[in-house]
Amino acid sequence: QVQLVESGGGVVQPGRSLRLSCTASGFTFSNYQMHWVRQAPGKGLEWVAVISFDGRNIFYADSVKGRFTISRDNSKSTLYVEMSSLRGDDTAVYYCARATYGVPLDPWGQGTLVTVSS
Amino acid sequence: DIQMTQSPSSLSASVGDRVTITCRASRGFSNYLAWYQQKPGKAPQLLISAASSLQPGVPSRFSGSGSGTDFTLTISSLQPEDLATYYCQKYDEAPWAFGQGTKVEIK
Repeated sequence: QVQLVESGGGVVQPGRSLRLSCTASGFTFSNYQMHWVRQAPGKGLEWVAVISFDGRNIFYADSVKGRFTISRDNSKSTLYVEMSSLRGDDTAVYYCARATYGVPLDPWGQGTLVTVSS
Repeated sequence: DIQMTQSPSSLSASVGDRVTITCRASRGFSNYLAWYQQKPGKAPQLLISAASSLQPGVPSRFSGSGSGTDFTLTISSLQPEDLATYYCQKYDEAPWAFGQGTKVEIK
């Protein structure tokens, strides 16, 4: 079945970097655009970034632009986000999700928690 | 960028009640509007795409409607398992903005 599994979350100090991964299975990863969405504790969903199926087109939310880098390795069916200059307001559960033209986010992974704290 | 505003932010209703949640865009766009359900402690799940297309396996008591700037999610007869927070999202182009969510509680 279609599955997305995030990993790499944890506790990180402000100003440091962290890389999250999302491993896909059950579908042809290279055919789909992929997204990161985050949710701060007790808050709503915030769209973070998208990467096209071939990695050529990338867009970011203003809140992470210049600090986060989304990428993908289609040979490994894996999505990444490199997060740098982390701040307290980056503390959130980070979800990856699949999409394609005309089709919204489905499915979602189970999420990985990132806590930015000294 | 288009902003998405949901109302109400929370509601409490009885089993069997009809529930309506509204999502308003700051300006009009295509009908690439999705609704998601997030149950406590779980990842969101897609309920409706293209404003009104019910996803396979989603109960028929859920429906979506609207166009332009105003969209609606309706639960025709609220069930205990519908306890969740519901989000709208535009997905025509980046940024794929979400509404702030509507928490549905059961009286």
